[in-house]
Parts: sequence; C-alpha cells; structure tokens
Amino acid sequence: QKEVEQNSGPLSVPEGAIASLNCTYSDRGSQSFFWYRQYSGKSPELIMSIYSNGDKEDGRFTAQLNKASQYVSLLIRDSQPSDSATYLCAVNPWQAGTALIFGKGTTLSVSS
Amino acid sequence: DAEITQSPRHKITETGRQVTLACHQTWNHNNMFWYRQDLGHGLRLIHYSYGVQDTNKGEVSDGYSVSRSNTEDLPLTLESAASSQTSVYFCASSAVGAVYEQYFGPGTRLTVT
Repeated sequence: QKEVEQNSGPLSVPEGAIASLNCTYSDRGSQSFFWYRQYSGKSPELIMSIYSNGDKEDGRFTAQLNKASQYVSLLIRDSQPSDSATYLCAVNPWQAGTALIFGKGTTLSVSS
Repeated sequence: DAEITQSPRHKITETGRQVTLACHQTWNHNNMFWYRQDLGHGLRLIHYSYGVQDTNKGEVSDGYSVSRSNTEDLPLTLESAASSQTSVYFCASSAVGAVYEQYFGPGTRLTVT
C-alpha cells in the first residue's frame, strides 16, 4: 500500500515566523511531488511542485525534496494569517500513471 | 479563462437513488480524476480517465461509475446512493506529459439521507 504521511497538526506559528511542514512517502520510486493548500470549505490549490532533490523556491514558499530519505517539506517564510489553511502533500508513485496519492494534510494556524 | 467546473455544488438525495455529478473542464486536458474527501481519510481517488473512452478504477470505486464521451466532461454516477457516500467530491484534471500537476474544481457537497 503506497502511503503519504503528514502530521495532522495543528501547527501554530506567530505572524512573520517560518512554518515548516513535513511529508514522508513509502514508494521509493516516486518521481513527482506536490504541495496543495486548502482553505476551509474550498478546493485544493496547487502551490508547489518539485521533481528533483534539493530546494525549489517560489516567493515565500520553498519546497525541499530528499529522495534518499523519502521526505518532502514545505517552508513558508514570513508567515501571514492568510496562510492559515490545510496543506496537502501529494506524490506520484512509480508506475501509477498520472495518479496522485495524497496525505491527510497538516493544518497550519498563523496568529497575528 | 480556462477552468474546471462542477455541478451541482450542493446536493441532497435519498438512499437508493441514482445521482450524477458533473465535471467540465476547458483546459483541453486529457487526464481527469474524481476524488472524495472525508474527515480522517483525506482525498481518495474514485475513478480516473486518460482520454475519451478510457476509464480506470481508483482506490474507492465501489458504488461509483464514470464514462468519458468527450475531452471536456467526466460525469460521476452513484448507482444507488448510500449514506456512506455522503462526502465532498472533487474533480481534477491534468495535461498529458511528464508533469502531473492536477487542478481541482470547486467541489460538490453530497448528502445522502
């Protein structure tokens, strides 16, 4: 059973701090990794994708991938109250076509 | 602008009725997916399609069916609705290629009484 694990949270950080969200996956052959943000009552919104080991930065967001450790993380710098949401990690397992396996999500709360 | 839409946004139905949820995308994406999202389970794949006349079962396909007659639409049918199918349903699509980024519709909240 291919799995994607995330701490459910809530992760609470003060405004302006760095929020660190973590994800581990079971399928060593996975090639593509994604972070989605989901506000309460809304649909998931793609915010980052990463395909190779290392860091990928986009504005205040940095995705980090370590395939050897089967670990993906998302850093949010200068966290804002508007970042308060559930963050879903998604992985494309080996030989799964284009299907994604989602983690259950980590709830982030940023206090002002 | 290209988009993905779902209808209805909210639906209440009775146990045993057949229900169809619509999904329409204007991105010309070949790949389309249906998920359900429940507390404690996260997003789970129901069915997916890689093109016209192609359908595949996902993790939780029992009691659901899909058909793909054109690129833009992938309707999801609950053949005989059960209370266990009360959930929020999301449709998603992605383009052909090595980049498997999926984009989601707004969702349909279905209640089976």
